[in-house]
Amino acid sequence: DTEVTQTPKHLVMGMTNKKSLKCEQHMGHRAMYWYKQKAKKPPELMFVYSYEKLSINESVPSRFSPECPNSSLLNLHLHALQPEDSALYLCASSQDLYGGYTFGSGTRLTVV
Amino acid sequence: QQQVKQSPQSLIVQKGGISIINCAYENTAFDYFPWYQQFPGKGPALLIAIRPDVSEKKEGRFTISFNKSAKQFSLHIMDSQPGDSATYFCAAYNYGQNFVFGPGTRLSVLP
Repeated sequence: DTEVTQTPKHLVMGMTNKKSLKCEQHMGHRAMYWYKQKAKKPPELMFVYSYEKLSINESVPSRFSPECPNSSLLNLHLHALQPEDSALYLCASSQDLYGGYTFGSGTRLTVV
Repeated sequence: QQQVKQSPQSLIVQKGGISIINCAYENTAFDYFPWYQQFPGKGPALLIAIRPDVSEKKEGRFTISFNKSAKQFSLHIMDSQPGDSATYFCAAYNYGQNFVFGPGTRLSVLP
């Protein structure tokens, strides 16, 4: 298995909702990442987990809450989002903190 | 210091032509330079990557040229095909830090 699987593929949520994005990989990668990508822009790093511990939080608002339950799973919990948070949310993994990423196909999030 | 510059912003090439995308960086600590290809609605996919001890790397129709002294690297797509139409991101990385992506190049290959 050489894929990073993200669910759901599309999500529409209101500003008062709570939802979660899920990411799964079975490549034995020990680093996992959340990125946010706006249209026609490069991905922007949000969080990095290394060996299931949060190692980097790029000053992301607290309405985004990451969780790494085990080495294969990564969640992103969302609550009280704003319309400007609408974007493609990408999960990625790598063997460790040094190497190429494998990205998932992303979750297209729309906040209404 | 952490920026990666990329040009052109967009590129139109005829089928069978050569597509060339250029990137430049400032931080000499970078030691891994990947290129990612992204189709609409999909995540970026690693296309090819190079480390600074090599001046050129070729995989099929894709070649990275690396100039360490100029702090520049480029992607060449030979015999460009309509299926190559996508957005291409260069990136730079050093251990313990994170990828810095270039702003992207939208490539259109005309049939």
